[in-house]
Amino acid sequence: EVQLVESGGGLVQPGGSLRLSCAASGFPFRNYWMSWVRQAPGKALEWVANIKQDGSDTYYVDSVKGRFIISRDNAKNSLNLQMNSLRAEDTAVYYCARDLLAIFGVHDYWGQGTLVTVSS
Amino acid sequence: DIQMTQSPSSLSASVGDRVTITCRASQTIRNYLNWYQQKPGKAPNLLIYTASTLQSGVPSRFRGSGSGTDFTLTITSLQPEDFATYYCQQSYSSPFTFGGGTKVEI
Repeated sequence: EVQLVESGGGLVQPGGSLRLSCAASGFPFRNYWMSWVRQAPGKALEWVANIKQDGSDTYYVDSVKGRFIISRDNAKNSLNLQMNSLRAEDTAVYYCARDLLAIFGVHDYWGQGTLVTVSS
Repeated sequence: DIQMTQSPSSLSASVGDRVTITCRASQTIRNYLNWYQQKPGKAPNLLIYTASTLQSGVPSRFRGSGSGTDFTLTITSLQPEDFATYYCQQSYSSPFTFGGGTKVEI
């Protein structure tokens, strides 16, 4: 059974940093593109970033470029999102998602999400 | 970035109704259009990808169509478990933008 379990969310002050992790199991993690998608309270989904199978390619939405870094550890079946210079508008539930094999950008499995709150 | 516009933003329907949700892209995305269902407090669930391909395990009452800039999600006979919010998403080019959502209510 495919499982994605996020962790690392919490309350952080504006300008602070937070590192999210996603533990993957039940599938060959190294074979899949992986993504982060977020959802601010009461708002629509927003795609944040994704990373190629071997970590050699990454893409970001403009609003997080230069502040967030997506990475992965295929030996540990782990996806990460390092979030720096956090702003109030980064407050959201952050979901880890697996991309369909050979069709990146389509998310077939999602974690339960972890809440990040940026507030003083 | 490609903008995705869904309509309506919400609708009221009854069990057994045929429901149609539309999604328009700000430029052509060929058939790189996906649909997700999200229930309150839960993660989204992939329904349809590449405009019309039904994801494994999704009931056949969900149908997707369209290409280029205009797309449609149809639920042919609404069931009680279908009351949720639906999102379209383009996977033609990064960033893979979502629409604003359509809430289907009783």
